Amino acid sequence: DGGITQSPKYLFRKEGQNVTLSCEQNLNHDAMYWYRQDPGQGLRLIYYSQIVNDFQKGDIAEGYSVSREKKESFPLTVTSAQKNPTAFYLCASSIIHADTQYFGPGTRLTVL
Amino acid sequence: GIQVEQSPPDLILQEGANSTLRCNFSDSVNNLQWFHQNPWGQLINLFYIPSGTKQNGRLSATTVATERYSLLYISSSQTTDSGVYFCAVCLQTGANNLFFGTGTRLTVIP
Repeated sequence: DGGITQSPKYLFRKEGQNVTLSCEQNLNHDAMYWYRQDPGQGLRLIYYSQIVNDFQKGDIAEGYSVSREKKESFPLTVTSAQKNPTAFYLCASSIIHADTQYFGPGTRLTVL
Repeated sequence: GIQVEQSPPDLILQEGANSTLRCNFSDSVNNLQWFHQNPWGQLINLFYIPSGTKQNGRLSATTVATERYSLLYISSSQTTDSGVYFCAVCLQTGANNLFFGTGTRLTVIP
């Protein structure tokens, strides 16, 4: 099956800990994105990558880091510097310079 | 940055009724998508519609780019249509990253 997978589905973290969220796609898409959703809100862009070994900050990148070592993978690390990390995190991918973004099922992160 | 406004914020329908959801945006765009977010959080693509009209079954969408709005029509609504509908746009300049509205929460009651 072609698509985007995210893991884990639920994640609990203690304050002060870094945590990494996984995003994998087998759609052969060049571009990948990370969004954050807070309750009752739309999505906001954290980071995006248009090509391997390159990525750009989005609107709310502070306290997050990413890497893009492989075309298929775009992991997101939520660092201890992120002041309010509890949220729903969604990964997406698309063909560069074209249209539709496709989303993974998301990861719910809760900081205890 | 670009403003994306959706209306109404909440909508309750009787099963079988029709509805229209609106999305206004403040700048020129080269990509507009409508999504349905189901109760588990999954975002499902409905339409990619930067301009013109498209139909898919009971759903259709129209975007008038020159007037900076898009409409999503749902006909003969079903309980499975419940969820949050998001409009998202991409600016004509810059990367292909989407700016989302705050959504319309639709509840269809039997």
